[in-house]
Amino acid sequence: AQTVTQSQPEMSVQEAETVTLSCTYDTSESDYYLFWYKQPPSRQMILVIRQEAYKQQNATENRFSVNFQKAAKSFSLKISDSQLGDAAMYFCAYNTNAGKSTFGDGTTLTVKP
Amino acid sequence: GAVVSQHPSWVICKSGTSVKIECRSLDFQATTMFWYRQFPKQSLMLMATSNEGSKATYEQGVEKDKFLINHASLTLSTLTVTSAHPEDSSFYICSADRDRGKYEQYFGPGTRLTVT
Repeated sequence: AQTVTQSQPEMSVQEAETVTLSCTYDTSESDYYLFWYKQPPSRQMILVIRQEAYKQQNATENRFSVNFQKAAKSFSLKISDSQLGDAAMYFCAYNTNAGKSTFGDGTTLTVKP
Repeated sequence: GAVVSQHPSWVICKSGTSVKIECRSLDFQATTMFWYRQFPKQSLMLMATSNEGSKATYEQGVEKDKFLINHASLTLSTLTVTSAHPEDSSFYICSADRDRGKYEQYFGPGTRLTVT
């Protein structure tokens, strides 16, 4: 069974600084998809970034980028120029080809003004 | 595009009654929908996978007779909590899969259930 581990229950960052959230996963599959979702206080899950395992290039979406290390099964999220609106709970997720997602336990990010 | 709605957003019911939660994909067809339960400050716990036209697949430990799931069409799945008890109070989230896991799941806004 696939597992996703987020080792940082809480993180904080100063506004305009950079923070990295960690995620590791365990799988025997070779083809899969990885995601970072953001859940603000409204509790609506929002996609932050997506990575296909067969692509070596790290995904980037504006201030958000990932460091995908397939051999190490690591998928960290870097948030640059942090903003107050980035404060939320962040979940790392793994998708199989069947569409079923496995989520990590989440990291609560606080942004200090 | 890819909007999922959930209704109601908040429901309060008395212990022993049943409550139905609807999940709709508004602008795409979803052959698969998922139902999650989330406690405060915790992760999403998958309850069941709902496939259109077939019986739902429940995760281990989830009572299928208590949490009835019906995926009646390609745009609608419902979760009915039967004979609800206070311990069923939680936040329930549905999501829809557009392309067998290749893309992100599209999440509904969630339903807060309070059983008194």
